Amino acid sequence: SAVISQKPSRDICQRGTSLTIQCQVDSQVTMMFWYRQQPGQSLTLIATANQGSEATYESGFVIDKFPISRPNLTFSTLTVSNMSPEDSSIYLCSVEDRGGRGEQYFGPGTRLTVT
Amino acid sequence: LAKTTQPISMDSYEGQEVNITCSHNNIATNDYITWYQQFPSQGPRFIIQGYKTKVTNEVASLFIPADRKSSTLSLPRVSLSDTAVYYCLVGSSYSGYSTLTFGKGTMLLVSP
Repeated sequence: SAVISQKPSRDICQRGTSLTIQCQVDSQVTMMFWYRQQPGQSLTLIATANQGSEATYESGFVIDKFPISRPNLTFSTLTVSNMSPEDSSIYLCSVEDRGGRGEQYFGPGTRLTVT
Repeated sequence: LAKTTQPISMDSYEGQEVNITCSHNNIATNDYITWYQQFPSQGPRFIIQGYKTKVTNEVASLFIPADRKSSTLSLPRVSLSDTAVYYCLVGSSYSGYSTLTFGKGTMLLVSP
């Protein structure tokens, strides 16, 4: 299984600023995913990122607010833009293994607090 | 979109077998059933995946009836360290990545 790391592990940011979260995988993967998990809640898919193409966003999430980069097969970034306290959450990236079946491996998450 | 329904919580004691059932009435032909475990402050961890019948690995077993409208995760002889939230996912890239939607999960509490 792939090993995924995220940076930063946590951050406290002021409203109106932006934070870029990095996701690094130890092997080449086609699909990467970004999720949000609010305290005590389940995970919500933000977008899927395929290398070499624009990210695909889920309903309720837009590129202007959550721009995603996927420059190569082992790396992706998610930016949370113009943050508000409602963006306080854990952001997780994951990768798909065994193509197509939905078997994912997750990073440890980035805990974001917006004040 | 195959929605899943699981019990919100379950309690067990060390050494017991725990069975968590997930209902997914609208499962599509191409969908797989995948279970994850999540500890506090960690990302979910893949446990097991299946399409039909029974799958077993070193951690758990997954039972899927012929109609595939439900599945049961079986954890043999649980320990305190199995206390976690367990999520059932149904979907696949063939059905669209949006189908890989996490439900509310089941909070399993294992007591001594």
